[in-house]
Amino acid sequence: DTEVTQTPKHLVMGMTNKKSLKCEQHMGHRAMYWYKQKAKKPPELMFVYSYEKLSINESVPSRFSPECPNSSLLNLHLHALQPEDSALYLCASSQGDSYGYTFGSGTRLTVV
Amino acid sequence: QQQVKQSPQSLIVQKGGISIINCAYENTAFDYFPWYQQFPGKGPALLIAIRPDVSEKKEGRFTISFNKSAKQFSLHIMDSQPGDSATYFCAAIIWRGAQKLVFGQGTRLTINP
Repeated sequence: DTEVTQTPKHLVMGMTNKKSLKCEQHMGHRAMYWYKQKAKKPPELMFVYSYEKLSINESVPSRFSPECPNSSLLNLHLHALQPEDSALYLCASSQGDSYGYTFGSGTRLTVV
Repeated sequence: QQQVKQSPQSLIVQKGGISIINCAYENTAFDYFPWYQQFPGKGPALLIAIRPDVSEKKEGRFTISFNKSAKQFSLHIMDSQPGDSATYFCAAIIWRGAQKLVFGQGTRLTINP
């Protein structure tokens, strides 16, 4: 299995809702990432988990809460989002000590 | 310091032509330089990558040229095909406890048939 699987593919949520994005990989990668991508822009790093511990938080607002339950799973919990948070949310994984970086297809999030 | 600058923003090439995308960086702590291809609605996919101690790497129709002293690198797509139409991102990797991937601004490539 050489894929990073993200669910759901599309999500529409109100500003008062709580929702979660899920990411799964079975490549034995020990680092997992959340990126946010706005239209016609490059992906921007949000969080990095290395060996199931949060190692980088790029000053992301607390309405985004990451969680890494185990080495294969990564969640992003969403609460009280704003319309400007609408974007493609990408999950990625990599080996901890080499440069292979695999992205999922993303979750298209719309906040209404 | 952690920026990667990419040009052009958009590029139109005739089928069979050569597509060239350029990138530049400042931070010498970057130690790996991948290129990603992204189709609409999909995540970026690794296309080709190079280490800074190598001046050129070729994989099929795709070639990276790397100039360490100038801190510049470029992607050449030979015999460009309509199926190559996509957004291309150059990137650089830096270690900050884990890999941190810094992207250029992207180039929207259109190959006309």
